[in-house]
Amino acid sequence: DIQMTQSPSSLSASVGDRVTITCRASHSISNYLNWYQQKRGRAPKVLIYAASSLQGGVPSRFSGSGSGTDFTLTISSLQPEDFATYYCQQSYSTPWTFGQGTMVDLK
Amino acid sequence: QVQLQESGPGLVKPSQTLSLTCTVSGASTRGDTYYWTWIRQPAGKGLEWIGRIYVSGSTNYNPSLKNRVTISLGTSMKQLFLELTSVTAADTAVYYCARVRHQDPRMYWFDPWGPGILVTVSS
Repeated sequence: DIQMTQSPSSLSASVGDRVTITCRASHSISNYLNWYQQKRGRAPKVLIYAASSLQGGVPSRFSGSGSGTDFTLTISSLQPEDFATYYCQQSYSTPWTFGQGTMVDLK
Repeated sequence: QVQLQESGPGLVKPSQTLSLTCTVSGASTRGDTYYWTWIRQPAGKGLEWIGRIYVSGSTNYNPSLKNRVTISLGTSMKQLFLELTSVTAADTAVYYCARVRHQDPRMYWFDPWGPGILVTVSS
């Protein structure tokens, strides 16, 4: 199985901050990497697919980059509605696997 | 707009079979070239992919579930099912169904998701 490791596991930030979350794959996965946002008590929602493609309806302050084993999700200016847990997920090979999540909370 | 809704028992006894239904509106589980999938999340923990089914009925499962899982499509074209046998407390989780979107042979992502259903395994 391909292991996905996110860092940090949690971070505290303020509204307006630039936030960066990293995801590392145990094997090269090209750009087959997706990012999801999960708010408390809700189902996850896709933000970014194919490492850098913004899902329709997702604000442009979210962006993704990377290829191979190292990927990044960036929130350019954190908004109150962005406090949530973020997961990366690889689709290069089954079993599809997720990172352990990064919780973003209010400083 | 595609919407999914999970349903089923919220409490299952150990060693019994967990059976869930996902009802799809706004799309047909057999009429479009999509995969459909189940994912679960124990309380306070991360996400685990359970398996997927194609419109043809072909399936792939997570080996971690050791042949206990079956995913199938309903004849109504609006439902998919999950069965997990010989459950233990470790199977207690929120279970989600989702449509799998794709762009090429390896690019898949989950959109949309159902709201999820909590299943507790306890006697």
